[in-house]
Amino acid sequence: DQQVKQNSPSLSVQEGRISILNCDYTNSMFDYFLWYKKYPAEGPTFLISISSIKDKNEDGRFTVFLNKSAKHLSLHIVPSQPGDSAVYFCAARPGNQFYFGTGTSLTVIP
Amino acid sequence: GAGVSQTPSNKVTEKGKYVELRCDPISGHTALYWYRQSLGQGPEFLIYFQGTGAADDSGLPNDRFFAVRPEGSVSTLKIQRTERGDSAVYLCASSRDRGANVLTFGAGSRLTVL
Repeated sequence: DQQVKQNSPSLSVQEGRISILNCDYTNSMFDYFLWYKKYPAEGPTFLISISSIKDKNEDGRFTVFLNKSAKHLSLHIVPSQPGDSAVYFCAARPGNQFYFGTGTSLTVIP
Repeated sequence: GAGVSQTPSNKVTEKGKYVELRCDPISGHTALYWYRQSLGQGPEFLIYFQGTGAADDSGLPNDRFFAVRPEGSVSTLKIQRTERGDSAVYLCASSRDRGANVLTFGAGSRLTVL
């Protein structure tokens, strides 16, 4: 049973525009959420996170929004750059175990 | 080390063979995780170590899979009697301690079972 879901397997965006990646979860016990970015042949690298006590966290071009009532989080990248092209995974944590979504492949078109 | 190191980066084996995958975490990180990523899927939890002990092995799919971390640093994931369905990228991650919020991943070991 997939507790973290990313329903869009891929997304294409023009350079300079906003990229919005979405993630839904089912477990109300999740207390911490993360986004990871993965390039081919590399391990996932941490991008940004948010605690369940917040609804927004911003770091440069990256902003994560959390809607606990809807059990939904999103990652906004603005402006998008070609180097942002990668697979993005959202992850959620209750305690020590991290659950990952299936990923969204983002392509930023120059 | 500066990052999480995994060896081998690629392993091709035949069905029924035994395989060992090694993970060298970031120096000083006490928590170590193994994940498995199959094609088109996200990383799937296998096992978590805090120090030398396996604090949570609920993700190991069956008794052919086993992992050790005898000195609280390097960990080895062992797969017996490999099956074609074991083909995946095996990712290792470490974190500073059990309360840390962020995992740092290695590049993974790609296992192909023919």
